[in-house]
Amino acid sequence: QKEVEQDPGPLSVPEGAIVSLNCTYSNSAFQYFMWYRQYSRKGPELLMYTYSSGNKEDGRFTAQVDKSSKYISLFIRDSQPSDSATYLCATIIQGAQKLVFGQGTRLTINP
Amino acid sequence: DTAVSQTPKYLVTQMGNDKSIKCEQNLGHDTMYWYKQDSKKFLKIMFSYNNKELIINETVPNRFSPKSPDKAHLNLHINSLELGDSAVYFCASRSAGGGSETQYFGPGTRLLVL
Repeated sequence: QKEVEQDPGPLSVPEGAIVSLNCTYSNSAFQYFMWYRQYSRKGPELLMYTYSSGNKEDGRFTAQVDKSSKYISLFIRDSQPSDSATYLCATIIQGAQKLVFGQGTRLTINP
Repeated sequence: DTAVSQTPKYLVTQMGNDKSIKCEQNLGHDTMYWYKQDSKKFLKIMFSYNNKELIINETVPNRFSPKSPDKAHLNLHINSLELGDSAVYFCASRSAGGGSETQYFGPGTRLLVL
């Protein structure tokens, strides 16, 4: 079993839709949770970051962590074509050096 | 200013050759990484250095040898290249502490072994 599981998609939605991207993880020691966005032919860049459980909002993006069910979510409101990218969830144990990534979900927003 | 840079961007080479990829970061971070991303976009850690010291060495063939001449540079040398080495290789540097954890990735080196 992979430490972090993520549906690779692809996921295609119309512009303006609400997008929900999800990951599950197996190690309850994970404490930091991140979403990276990777545009085609670019390196991943940090989009959202949360520590432990709870929600974090940044503009149209909301990251949610439920540690009881080991579930990580990213919601995108009013999705735009410029949101089309691969989204990777990632997590790390506090004090560790190794970031563990999900497989990435390829998202396309259709105008 | 480019935070994490890699050279070359593209590398096409024959099986059996030896090649190197270079990485530099100007962020002042102590920790740097090499990742391999396959065609399905799965990002897998290979090595990590902290202040020139190897701290992570995943199950990578010993044909791959990282070198860190100083904490701003982390290079990757690959001997006897194989078809399965074709992938995108990303360098990253890490900022951690004060309740935050961020990795900054380079633009990637696309390696194609023929």
